[in-house]
Amino acid sequence: DGGITQSPKYLFRKEGQNVTLSCEQNLNHDAMYWYRQDPGQGLRLIYYSQIVNDFQKGDIAEGYSVSREKKESFPLTVTSAQKNPTAFYLCASSVDRAINSPLHFGNGTRLTVT
Amino acid sequence: KQEVTQIPAALSVPEGENLVLNCSFTDSAIYNLQWFRQDPGKGLTSLLLIQSSQREQTSGRLNASLDKSSGRSTLYIAASQPGDSATYLCAVRHGSSNTGKLIFGQGTTLQVKP
Repeated sequence: DGGITQSPKYLFRKEGQNVTLSCEQNLNHDAMYWYRQDPGQGLRLIYYSQIVNDFQKGDIAEGYSVSREKKESFPLTVTSAQKNPTAFYLCASSVDRAINSPLHFGNGTRLTVT
Repeated sequence: KQEVTQIPAALSVPEGENLVLNCSFTDSAIYNLQWFRQDPGKGLTSLLLIQSSQREQTSGRLNASLDKSSGRSTLYIAASQPGDSATYLCAVRHGSSNTGKLIFGQGTTLQVKP
């Protein structure tokens, strides 16, 4: 089955440690995105990539980094510079950057930093 | 700045009832509007995408309408079932964005009681 796989489902880290969230898709989609979801708030865009080896900052990129070395993979690193890293992180993809290309989401990774 | 609002934040209805979820946006310059469903602890599932030139889209018991001029969309669910219980989010692709960047509402959490 085609889809987006995020791993792990739950992640626990100590404050001050960097952590990398995995996102893999086998949909052959060009565009990939990372969103953050906090209780009572809508999803907010962290980073997006429209093509391999290219990515742009979203609305809340500070304290995060990404890479896009392969079409299928778009890992997100939450660095120690991120002030409030505890959140639910969602990865998404779309066929391309076309405006009417719907987004498909993975099942998310819940990160808890203590 | 585009803002998306969903009211109410939560809704509880008895099984079999027809219901309407509301989504409003402040800037009518949108390319499209997408409705998603999110089950607890899961990612988002795309339900319907309405292009700016369209008035409505239907899928099974779901019907979504769009009125750009008034900045509103509704998601109509016919003959609700307990399995429809979830959080429903709307998101707009803003007219100034040529990427997959969507602006999300906070969602309406629906509970359908047997």
